[in-house]
Amino acid sequence: DAKTTQPPSMDCAEGRAANLPCNHSTISGNEYVYWYRQIHSQGPQYIIHGLKNNETNEMASLIITEDRKSSTLILPHATLRDTAVYYCIVRPNYGGATNKLIFGTGTLLAVQP
Amino acid sequence: DTEVTQTPKHLVMGMTNKKSLKCEQHMGHRAMYWYKQKAKKPPELMFVYSYEKLSINESVPSRFSPECPNSSLLNLHLHALQPEDSALYLCASSHIQGLQETQYFGPGTRLLVL
Repeated sequence: DAKTTQPPSMDCAEGRAANLPCNHSTISGNEYVYWYRQIHSQGPQYIIHGLKNNETNEMASLIITEDRKSSTLILPHATLRDTAVYYCIVRPNYGGATNKLIFGTGTLLAVQP
Repeated sequence: DTEVTQTPKHLVMGMTNKKSLKCEQHMGHRAMYWYKQKAKKPPELMFVYSYEKLSINESVPSRFSPECPNSSLLNLHLHALQPEDSALYLCASSHIQGLQETQYFGPGTRLLVL
């Protein structure tokens, strides 16, 4: 599985956009980029995923560079409730339940009032 | 309903006890997972069930025994645990659909082994 590198922590002011980077320089052609977050003492929550095009949903936007070696998760208007550990995960998608989510150490995003 | 439920929320057990963790989902997912998360560490996969059959065991000690009695339920039976097994145990489920597979997690069971 491709590995990811994320900064251990980031701060963001409430109401501003939070941009969380992720490096995945060894990603291969069939591997998707997934983002999950884990609010303290809760289970991980799915945010978004993509292969090579930029993606947007009601929670966030995912920007993947053209060479696919890095990506950025954007929370457009961060709130205090977005304070969490954000995990960037690269995983193959052959289909079927045998695909594994291998969590890295993630980025602790602290949204400041 | 996009919820995965886990019971109990908290569990304290001695090293000679036998206990079980329960996970339930009603999203029609046919894949279910157990993860273990130690404090300040990321979740680590333990087991994967696909269509009620065990498909992955990540070399987990036999004192952890998973069971999938039907497509909605997943149990983790615990016996003769050690204090270092204290952790948050997370259950997840997912569809098996083409090339897309998103896992949905429960809130976890926080286990303390004395």
